[in-house]
Amino acid sequence: QVKLVESGGGVVQPGRSLRLSCAASGFTFSRSVLYWVRQAPGKGLEWLALISYDGSQRFYADSVKGRFTISRDNSKNTMYLQMDSLRLEDTAVYYCARVMVATFEVDYWGQGTQVTVSS
Amino acid sequence: DIVMTQTPLTLPVTLGQPASISCRSSQSLVHSDGNTYLSWLQQRPGQPPRLLIFKISNRFSGVPDRFSGSGAGTDFTLNISRVEAEDVGLYYCMQATQFPSLTFGGGTKVEI
Repeated sequence: QVKLVESGGGVVQPGRSLRLSCAASGFTFSRSVLYWVRQAPGKGLEWLALISYDGSQRFYADSVKGRFTISRDNSKNTMYLQMDSLRLEDTAVYYCARVMVATFEVDYWGQGTQVTVSS
Repeated sequence: DIVMTQTPLTLPVTLGQPASISCRSSQSLVHSDGNTYLSWLQQRPGQPPRLLIFKISNRFSGVPDRFSGSGAGTDFTLNISRVEAEDVGLYYCMQATQFPSLTFGGGTKVEI
């Protein structure tokens, strides 16, 4: 079955960097469009970045543009989120999610990884 | 950006009774391809979001038929025909019409 597993979260100081990974299985990864979405404590959901199936197209929310970089390695069935210049307000659970075939909507979500930015 | 507004914020429900959540978008969600990319997500406590409904009214694989979606344009509704204990949690509407930008409603907490 479709499985997305995030890793790489942790506690980091403001201004530092962190790289998240999203390992996929159960579907043809190289044909899938993927998102990173986050959920701050007690808050709603916020999309952060999207990457096309081959990595040639990448889109970012204004809140992370210039600080976060999305990438993927189709040979490893893994997507990444490089997060630089982290801020206190980046504290959240970070999810990877797959875009459903033939729509623009998201069908499967990972379990999430917690990122805490604290001095 | 499209703003998604959900009501109510909290929905007290009775087991076995129906429940309804509303979602309104700040502009029409009809895409240039004619489809309306409005989804409903469920998030149980401590769990990631789970897709329930896509394109307004299509139930996703494995979703019980007590969940249904309706609406058009800017006004949408999620209905639960008979609430069960496992339905407790947060519910979000989400628009993908403005792909790649996704926006989510603020969430409705369903509690017994």
